[in-house]
Amino acid sequence: EDKVVQSPLSLVVHEGDTVTLNCSYEVTNFRSLLWYKQEKKAPTFLFMLTSSGIEKKSGRLSSILDKKELFSILNITATQTGDSAIYLCAVEGVNFGNEKLTFGTGTRLTIIP
Amino acid sequence: DAGVIQSPRHEVTEMGQEVTLRCKPISGHDYLFWYRQTMMRGLELLIYFNNNVPIDDSGMPEDRFSAKMPNASFSTLKIQPSEPRDSAVYFCASSLAKGLAGNNEQFFGPGTRLTVL
Repeated sequence: EDKVVQSPLSLVVHEGDTVTLNCSYEVTNFRSLLWYKQEKKAPTFLFMLTSSGIEKKSGRLSSILDKKELFSILNITATQTGDSAIYLCAVEGVNFGNEKLTFGTGTRLTIIP
Repeated sequence: DAGVIQSPRHEVTEMGQEVTLRCKPISGHDYLFWYRQTMMRGLELLIYFNNNVPIDDSGMPEDRFSAKMPNASFSTLKIQPSEPRDSAVYFCASSLAKGLAGNNEQFFGPGTRLTVL
C-alpha cells in the first residue's frame, strides 16, 4: 500500500523565520510528488516534482526531491502570516496500469506575527 | 471559468439518510477526482474519472458509496445509507491530464462539509 508521511505534524514559528517541511513516501512505480497549500478551504497547487535534485522555486517557497532516499522538502524563507496553512504532500504512483494519488495528513504551519 | 463547483457547501443529515454530493468540473478538464478529508486520515482519494469513465475506485470505503459521471460537466457522489463516521469534508477536483504526459495540476472545489448525526 502506498504511504506518504509528513513531518512535523504541526509547526509554530515567528514571522521572518525559515521553515522546512518534510515528506517521505513509499509508492509503487513513482510518477511525481506534489505539494499543496490548504488554507481555509480547498488545497491549491504549489509544485510538482518528478526529477531528483532539481529545485523548484516560487518566490519564498522552494522544494526539492530525492528519489533515492524517497523524500522531499518544502522550504519557506522569511515566513509571513499569510503562509499559515496546512501543507499537503501527495505522491502519484502507477499500480496495475492505474495512476493513484496518495496524500499525507499534512503539516499545519502557524506563523506568529 | 468559475472553477470547480460543488454543492451543497454544507449538509447535516441523520444517520440512515441518503446523501448526494454534486460537482461540476472546470470545462475542458478530462479528469475528475473525489476526495474525502478528515482530521484523522487526512485527504484520501476515493475515485477518479477520465472522460466520464471511472478509472480507479479502490479508495471508495464500502458499498454504501457510489459515484457517477453521466456527462463531462457533472458528477455525483452518493452515500446510502449514511453513517456518522462518514462525516468529513468531501472535495471534488478536476485536471486537464494526469501523469507526466500533461499538466498534473488539480483544481479543487470548495468542498462539501458533511455532518451525519
